Amino acid sequence: GENVEQHPSTLSVQEGDSAVIKCTYSDSASNYFPWYKQELGKRPQLIIDIRSNVGEKKDQRIAVTLNKTAKHFSLHITETQPEDSAVYFCAASTRSGNTGKLIFGQGTTLQVKP
Amino acid sequence: EAQVTQNPRYLITVTGKKLTVTCSQNMNHEYMSWYRQDPGLGLRQIYYSMNVEVTDKGDVPEGYKVSRKEKRNFPLILESPSPNQTSLYFCASSLSFGTSTDTQYFGPGTRLTVL
Repeated sequence: GENVEQHPSTLSVQEGDSAVIKCTYSDSASNYFPWYKQELGKRPQLIIDIRSNVGEKKDQRIAVTLNKTAKHFSLHITETQPEDSAVYFCAASTRSGNTGKLIFGQGTTLQVKP
Repeated sequence: EAQVTQNPRYLITVTGKKLTVTCSQNMNHEYMSWYRQDPGLGLRQIYYSMNVEVTDKGDVPEGYKVSRKEKRNFPLILESPSPNQTSLYFCASSLSFGTSTDTQYFGPGTRLTVL
């Protein structure tokens, strides 16, 4: 089955710097890759996603890149702000037939220092 | 207000005492799923349901049961809870799975402690 590895587990940056979180997946059939942000004590919320027919997607300060050949995808946050501090999860799923599995990475705790 | 609700939000119980965590959504979503969150392990899928009366195992289904008798509800049942099921549980739903409308919306979470 699918396995998703996420690195680093913790990341500390200065406000205004960029942050990059990387994930690798094992199932070459995976075709949907969402990223979730979870603030302390709250529920995960989708911040951006990418599908396998696209190599890059951007939404303001957040971007995601996908390398299908290498089976990895990354979250890029530019001009980080203290409110970006949270736990970020990547995930991968294979959408085929009646399969509905969504496999998450272990999470990255991002701390943005003012 | 469109939302996913879970009850109870907090529960302390003892080993072997059957319990049910309810999940309900008011968005007419077809897909619903249960996850557990443990430190260092991220979110792990327990069971999911593609539609009414259609359920399937996720990655960690042992010790859990689910049912999907109606579209809006997807209860999680622990027939004989054990301490290793102490965790934070999230229910999530999406309009569909495998299409452009598969953004999952999470409930507020249920913190379960099994003594």
